[in-house]
Amino acid sequence: EDQVTQSPEALRLQEGESSSLNCSYTVSGLRGLFWYRQDPGKGPEFLFTLYSAGEEKEKERLKATLTKKESFLHITAPKPEDSATYLCAVQAYDKIIFGKGTRLHILP
Amino acid sequence: DVKVTQSSRYLVKRTGEKVFLECVQDMDHENMFWYRQDPGLGLRLIYFSYDVKMKEKGDIPEGYSVSREKKERFSLILESASTNQTSMYLCASSDRNTGELFFGEGSRLTVL
Repeated sequence: EDQVTQSPEALRLQEGESSSLNCSYTVSGLRGLFWYRQDPGKGPEFLFTLYSAGEEKEKERLKATLTKKESFLHITAPKPEDSATYLCAVQAYDKIIFGKGTRLHILP
Repeated sequence: DVKVTQSSRYLVKRTGEKVFLECVQDMDHENMFWYRQDPGLGLRLIYFSYDVKMKEKGDIPEGYSVSREKKERFSLILESASTNQTSMYLCASSDRNTGELFFGEGSRLTVL
């Protein structure tokens, strides 16, 4: 069964404390893996697309990486404004499957 | 700036009422989607459309219908709202050749 699992469900960090969020997947025919950021009460905002193992993308304090079975979203020296829910989604042959997200809270 | 616009941010309806949620995108995208998002359940696909007048059922289509008469507009219809349809509804669009979804701000529906 195609599945996307994100861990941890929630993460609290001090400002400046780097960490990583995990997205593990089992799908047949991976066409792409996507990361989104969602602020409370708003729609998800697209961050990155990764297509093949070994690929990396960066944006400000965020870096996404991809292996054959999982993706990591690395957050370097986070700031309070990085607090949000981060969603991972995988595009299989004929569908897009979302994980349930990681709620990230950065304490000042 | 590209945009997906949902007609209502907040709605309160009574059980049995007909509800229309409208979504417009200005990116000339072929694909449009309706999701609902509930705590602990994540995003669940209700319906999607790959072209004008085309529609496909997602994972939870029961109790919903959709309409796509123009490329830029995708409407979600609740024929007879029920309390278990209280949720955040999210519209999204994507280009035919990529899987990147662009979401609207969401419509929070409460059914009393």
